[in-house]
Amino acid sequence: NAGVTQTPKFQVLKTGQSMTLQCAQDMNHNSMYWYRQDPGMGLRLIYYSASEGTTDKGEVPNGYNVSRLNKREFSLRLESAAPSQTSVYFCASTPGGLQYFGPGTRLTVT
Amino acid sequence: DQQVKQNSPSLSVQEGRISILNCDYTNSMFDYFLWYKKYPAEGPTFLISISSIKDKNEDGRFTVFLNKSAKHLSLHIVPSQPGDSAVYFCAATYNQGGKLIFGQGTELSVKP
Repeated sequence: NAGVTQTPKFQVLKTGQSMTLQCAQDMNHNSMYWYRQDPGMGLRLIYYSASEGTTDKGEVPNGYNVSRLNKREFSLRLESAAPSQTSVYFCASTPGGLQYFGPGTRLTVT
Repeated sequence: DQQVKQNSPSLSVQEGRISILNCDYTNSMFDYFLWYKKYPAEGPTFLISISSIKDKNEDGRFTVFLNKSAKHLSLHIVPSQPGDSAVYFCAATYNQGGKLIFGQGTELSVKP
């Protein structure tokens, strides 16, 4: 089992560019999450999907959109990247309670 | 409104001694608490958890204590090892499922 995988590992964007961060899990978990980690801020929830076909906003959803493509895949889209979105992004999945995290995507917006 | 707080951004401990990491919360509805460990360039990994019906949970060198009246939990690592050097996040949830609320993290450095 690969667990939770994320692509890409690193990305540099110019302000205004768009991109999609991909996440997939092979543990048959219903719920998936997107977080961003910034120094001194911990992990903040951007969006989550409690089950296939549903998505909900988290604490910091502005500037992002998500798609729960199927049970395995949950993507995060930045339509028009801003320097404030420079961060490390983590995807997680859970059967309930304990969450399993991917290795992260380090995004820099210049 | 920070519902879960880790007030110490960093902690330095000598190898072999005890490390104590603290976490405070404000929401009395939280009923399940977790500690995650994160190495640089990796995702967080689960370390230990505790349900609100307990006040202590132990796993090898790691023990988590919960004081519900003070809304405070702590993680004890005894003895500390250099490989324990990492960022530790506490997290809380209710109904033992769903969204986790994370603290800001404490960076632990264990010196040989």
